[in-house]
Amino acid sequence: EVQVVESGGGLVQPGGSLRLSCAASGFTFSDHYMDWVRQAPGKGLEWVGRSRNKANGYTTEYAASVKGRFTISRDDSQNSLYLQMNSLKTEDTAVYYCARSAGTMTYFECWGQGTLVTVSS
Amino acid sequence: QSALTQPASVSGSPGQSITISCTGGSSDLARFNYVSWYQQHPGKAPRLMIYDVNSRPSGVSSRFSGSKSGYTASLTISGLQAEDEADYYCSSYTDNATLVFGGGTKLTVL
Repeated sequence: EVQVVESGGGLVQPGGSLRLSCAASGFTFSDHYMDWVRQAPGKGLEWVGRSRNKANGYTTEYAASVKGRFTISRDDSQNSLYLQMNSLKTEDTAVYYCARSAGTMTYFECWGQGTLVTVSS
Repeated sequence: QSALTQPASVSGSPGQSITISCTGGSSDLARFNYVSWYQQHPGKAPRLMIYDVNSRPSGVSSRFSGSKSGYTASLTISGLQAEDEADYYCSSYTDNATLVFGGGTKLTVL
């Protein structure tokens, strides 16, 4: 079964840091682009960023709202994706989803259940 | 990158058809045929319903269809059923090699 499971969410103070993890199973992780998408409470979906696969040099892209503060990395040997979040703001409070891209790499065919990050003093 | 524009809400009665619009710009939706649609029930993860404008993943009902013309994409649901009540989001690839979502549309089945 294709599956991704996020972990690492929690409560953090403004200005703090947090690292999220996404564990993948049931597919060849190294073949796929992997993305992070977030959803603030009661709000819509917001694309956060992506990690391309090995064939595309593991390059990354970020939304303007997180660029310079968030870093996406991956460890294909561990079938894992990471999101390092620094200089956190209250507006970063959201459920963070890990998602697997497919086909044209412009859509997400597999989503995790999400992990909640709360930035508050 | 600005979010794509969707109506906040739409409604329809069981058996009817509804259409949800999604409007973008020249750097995203109008430029690429890479529009996708997601269904999200409360407290659940999103589910892919349509990709590449009008393709349906396996397991998605043929009652769901997608189209695009110019700056606007559309999701049509025919033969509305109670379980279709959910939030729906469109998404597009952009010329910055990023992705952008719409603000979401709440579908109510009357």
